[in-house]
Amino acid sequence: LAKTTQPISMDSYEGQEVNITCSHNNIATNDYITWYQQFPSQGPRFIIQGYKTKVTNEVASLFIPADRKSSTLSLPRVSLSDTAVYYCLVGERGGGYNKLIFGAGTRLAVHP
Amino acid sequence: EAGVAQSPRYKIIEKRQSVAFWCNPISGHATLYWYQQILGQGPKLLIQFQNNGVVDDSQLPKDRFSAERLKGVDSTLKIQPAKLEDSAVYLCASSLDLTSGRAMGEQFFGPGTRLTVL
Repeated sequence: LAKTTQPISMDSYEGQEVNITCSHNNIATNDYITWYQQFPSQGPRFIIQGYKTKVTNEVASLFIPADRKSSTLSLPRVSLSDTAVYYCLVGERGGGYNKLIFGAGTRLAVHP
Repeated sequence: EAGVAQSPRYKIIEKRQSVAFWCNPISGHATLYWYQQILGQGPKLLIQFQNNGVVDDSQLPKDRFSAERLKGVDSTLKIQPAKLEDSAVYLCASSLDLTSGRAMGEQFFGPGTRLTVL
């Protein structure tokens, strides 16, 4: 059964780079990979999206290998305010449309 | 720009009762999503609308859940009758994306409605 999987939790320290990987072996060939951040009692918030290779914006980078069966969210120089849960979202092959599947989330704790 | 509005923010009901949630998406957004997020899990898509048509409702428990999006704007999600396992946060999101059934496009989420079924 195809799944979208991520590590359950990660710990880091302020100023370090954090890399979170998501495996999505059933991703649709025509769909994107999106990452969201969620704080307690809030809805998820968009971080970054990509289709292949590397995408960078002002807050993160996203690395996608050629086979697109995984992706890695990279957060440079994290701060305490980056403590949150991070989710990957992909469209998986379905019958006529892509099924939107969120990973279970990676809980990132940033320590002083 | 106003964000996605949801109401109520919290709801406590007894099992077998009915409940309804309302969502007003960002103006001009064609696509509207309802997700169920159980504590400690990622959001699970219940239903996706594009304008007022359903794109995907394959994970909506249709024996008890229903949703509508009148005139392609705001939407209501209803549970009747509720079960204990329906306790969760119900998230509404919207996106500009007009590409049916794909994950591309930034989704904007509302704050969610926390439902507790006793």
